[in-house]
Amino acid sequence: QKEVEQNSGPLSVPEGAIASLNCTYSDRVSQSFFWYRQYSGKSPELIMSIYSNGDKEDGRFTAQLNKASQYVSLLIRDSQPSDSATYLCAVNRDYGQNFVFGPGTRLSVLP
Amino acid sequence: SQTIHQWPATLVQPVGSPLSLECTVEGTSNPNLYWYRQAAGRGLQLLFYSVGIGQISSEVPQNLSASRPQDRQFILSSKKLLLSDSGFYLCAWSVGPDTQYFGPGTRLTVL
Repeated sequence: QKEVEQNSGPLSVPEGAIASLNCTYSDRVSQSFFWYRQYSGKSPELIMSIYSNGDKEDGRFTAQLNKASQYVSLLIRDSQPSDSATYLCAVNRDYGQNFVFGPGTRLSVLP
Repeated sequence: SQTIHQWPATLVQPVGSPLSLECTVEGTSNPNLYWYRQAAGRGLQLLFYSVGIGQISSEVPQNLSASRPQDRQFILSSKKLLLSDSGFYLCAWSVGPDTQYFGPGTRLTVL
């Protein structure tokens, strides 16, 4: 079992819809969780971090964390074509001084 | 504010040639520094991380090496490049084992 899993996609949604991106992780001691967006040919940029169970909202983005189920998700409301990118989930195991990244989900928002 | 620089932005090198990629961070002290590689269409692979000057941890044994001669400088090197070394090389920094922020990356093509 891989440490961090994501559906590779592509996930296609129409403009204005809600895009739902999912991530599961295997290490129960993981403490912090991150979503990054990576446009083609560019480096990843942080969207948001989440540390506690529940929802965290930032503009059109909502991160959801369920540590019991080892599951973290990202919802993008009112999706725009500019949201088309690969979304990387990252999990901090809180040891080893490094993150574990998932393979990413490619999102395509259709005009 | 913190800024991370990488150079060069792109590089084309023949097989067997040496490599030196540089990363510098501004606006923070004693950051954790990381080198990642992303092969075409693939996820992020952690290569090295450093928690201080001269302290390097290797995640993947290979023909690459890293050095940290100064607090905010991280260098990735190779004596002889392989075709399989082609990819997108990303430097990242963090304050402790927390959120990582990425540089713009270096796209390396080995011919």
